[in-house]
Amino acid sequence: VQVVESGGGLVKPGGSLRLSCEASGFSVTRWNVNWVRQAPGKGLEWVAAIRTTGPYTSYAESLRGRFTLSRDDAKNSVYLQMSSLRSEDTAVYYCARDFGVPMTRGLITWTDGMDVWGQGTTVTVSS
Amino acid sequence: SFEVTQPPSVSVSPGQTASIICSGDALPKKYVQWYQQKSGQAPVLVIFEDTKRPSGIPARFSGSSSGTVATLTISGAQVEDEADYYCSSTDKSGDHKLFGGGTKLTVL
Repeated sequence: VQVVESGGGLVKPGGSLRLSCEASGFSVTRWNVNWVRQAPGKGLEWVAAIRTTGPYTSYAESLRGRFTLSRDDAKNSVYLQMSSLRSEDTAVYYCARDFGVPMTRGLITWTDGMDVWGQGTTVTVSS
Repeated sequence: SFEVTQPPSVSVSPGQTASIICSGDALPKKYVQWYQQKSGQAPVLVIFEDTKRPSGIPARFSGSSSGTVATLTISGAQVEDEADYYCSSTDKSGDHKLFGGGTKLTVL
């Protein structure tokens, strides 16, 4: 069970970037997936989540509509589309699966924790 | 409010008990999770729902919560436990996660 992020890089202020999170060992159609970022030398900041039940997507209020989540079931991947990027978006972006306990009949009892994390992809916003 | 606050740093000697607190006005109604992040690595979930330990986490890690304060306790801290520790909870809706500022644990 793992997730692997990709798509980071250097982008100019105002530019766009799409990050990918490819899952293996589990299906993104059954497990909620989050993005968490960490600016250089700073703490963790939750960014967004895409879920299997409503509300299907949630975003940190500080992002003010600049980021959008999507999912490709065939590729078992989740994407974070980032636009109008600013220097303060510079960070390592982690993909992390919600920690859920599988129950009978294919149901999952969710906790508020995140148990599977990728190694992160680095986004640098600079001119 | 739905913010959580942690002390910036805690220091202990090897073999001693380390306690890291997380405070927040909403904690009587919200669960707290704890993550360990070693230098250059991704975070690891060590405690969820205040007191529960995921499979594979050593028993020396425990969690508790009382009122507006949650506590991560590392009994018999080891040098390899030196890391940043983050508490995490959710906002009123439960749909947005939030993190404390992190506590740097030094074991020496």
